[in-house]
Amino acid sequence: AQSVTQPDIHITVSEGASLELRCNYSYGATPYLFWYVQSPGQGLQLLLKYFSGDTLVQGIKGFEAEFKRSQSSFNLRKPSVHWSDAAEYFCAVGARGSQGNLIFGKGTKLSVKP
Amino acid sequence: EPEVTQTPSHQVTQMGQEVILRCVPISNHLYFYWYRQILGQKVEFLVSFYNNEISEKSEIFDDQFSVERPDGSNFTLKIRSTKLEDSAMYFCASSEGGQVRYYGYTFGSGTRLTVV
Repeated sequence: AQSVTQPDIHITVSEGASLELRCNYSYGATPYLFWYVQSPGQGLQLLLKYFSGDTLVQGIKGFEAEFKRSQSSFNLRKPSVHWSDAAEYFCAVGARGSQGNLIFGKGTKLSVKP
Repeated sequence: EPEVTQTPSHQVTQMGQEVILRCVPISNHLYFYWYRQILGQKVEFLVSFYNNEISEKSEIFDDQFSVERPDGSNFTLKIRSTKLEDSAMYFCASSEGGQVRYYGYTFGSGTRLTVV
């Protein structure tokens, strides 16, 4: 069955430090992969998506993610974290056999220390 | 930037009561979705809606759930007889096109439903 795993429930980084949020997926073919961010009281905002082409994808707010088929991973990175990046981050994969259905991971909560 | 608007932000209801969660999608979007997130669990797909009918639904979306686009702007989720396990955050989303790999979604900020 398709699934998305985000192994880290909560991560704390210092402001200015680099960030990597992990995402592993289970999918039989080339997946469509997404990262969303949810700030407190806000909706889920799309950061970036991948479905073909260059495996390093640039997104909004200075985020990037790299698709690694051999590792079934789509990790999210940012070279220098800002306090405003504190939020919950969700990885998702497009469901097989569905054009519009997304399967989400449980999310990783990011806290940023001053 | 266009937004998906959900009301109310928080609703408390008694078990067995009917609730209607409301959403105003982005005006030029044609595809509409409901997802839910039970506290501490994953965001789960409930239903997608296009051209005034359900295009996909999950196992969660049983007979107690229904969706409607009663006018040109609103998109509603009705839960007929709420159960304690329906307590969750419900997200509405809309999309310009039906292929999520091209369009992604725009999500609303959610309605937190608490069933007591």
